[in-house]
Amino acid sequence: GAVVSQHPSRVICKSGTSVKIECRSLDFQATTMFWYRQFPKQSLMLMATSNEGSKATYEQGVEKDKFLINHASLTLSTLTVTSAHPEDSSFYICSASKPDGETYNEQFFGPGTRLTVL
Amino acid sequence: GNSVTQMEGPVTLSEEAFLTINCTYTATGYPSLFWYVQYPGEGLQLLLKATKADDKGSNKGFEATYRKETTSFHLEKGSVQVSDSAVYFCALRAAGNKLTFGGGTRVLVKP
Repeated sequence: GAVVSQHPSRVICKSGTSVKIECRSLDFQATTMFWYRQFPKQSLMLMATSNEGSKATYEQGVEKDKFLINHASLTLSTLTVTSAHPEDSSFYICSASKPDGETYNEQFFGPGTRLTVL
Repeated sequence: GNSVTQMEGPVTLSEEAFLTINCTYTATGYPSLFWYVQYPGEGLQLLLKATKADDKGSNKGFEATYRKETTSFHLEKGSVQVSDSAVYFCALRAAGNKLTFGGGTRVLVKP
């Protein structure tokens, strides 16, 4: 299989604090991990792409100092929301890319983390 | 830029009904097309895919055909079950490995 986990599944924090979300590929080594944000009843918006051992590539409009991504190993990437504010409240989803021998690398998605900033 | 448009839900059906979820896309080049499904409390799972024009992806009774002339990739299932209740996302992949998603369509199948 190809299982991706996220921790925590749900977090509530006070405005101004930082929150770290972990994304792990449990049974494979992920060459690339992706972080998405999903607003209620809206689509997934790609925030950034991270490769193990290198800096993340952020999509236009995403503040890299606000959303810190660390891809320390082939099985773990973390997203830290720094100085969180209520507008950062959202559903954050990660995916991990596994080479499948074809011309593209399938992405396997985590179950998501619901962040609520009070 | 690339974009995916799919019909808004929720779509409510009775068991054994026919399901269609429309999806159209805008992209440069020749994208690969995907349908993902998200069951309650779970992550997105790849349902089916098509990588070139006229390809038909199929899985679990669902089908979708890559129509280049109409830039569409509509999802269909002939007889839905309660267990098909989920949110369905149409997506495309153009250059690189980035996915562009549609807004998602919630499907509710009643017994």
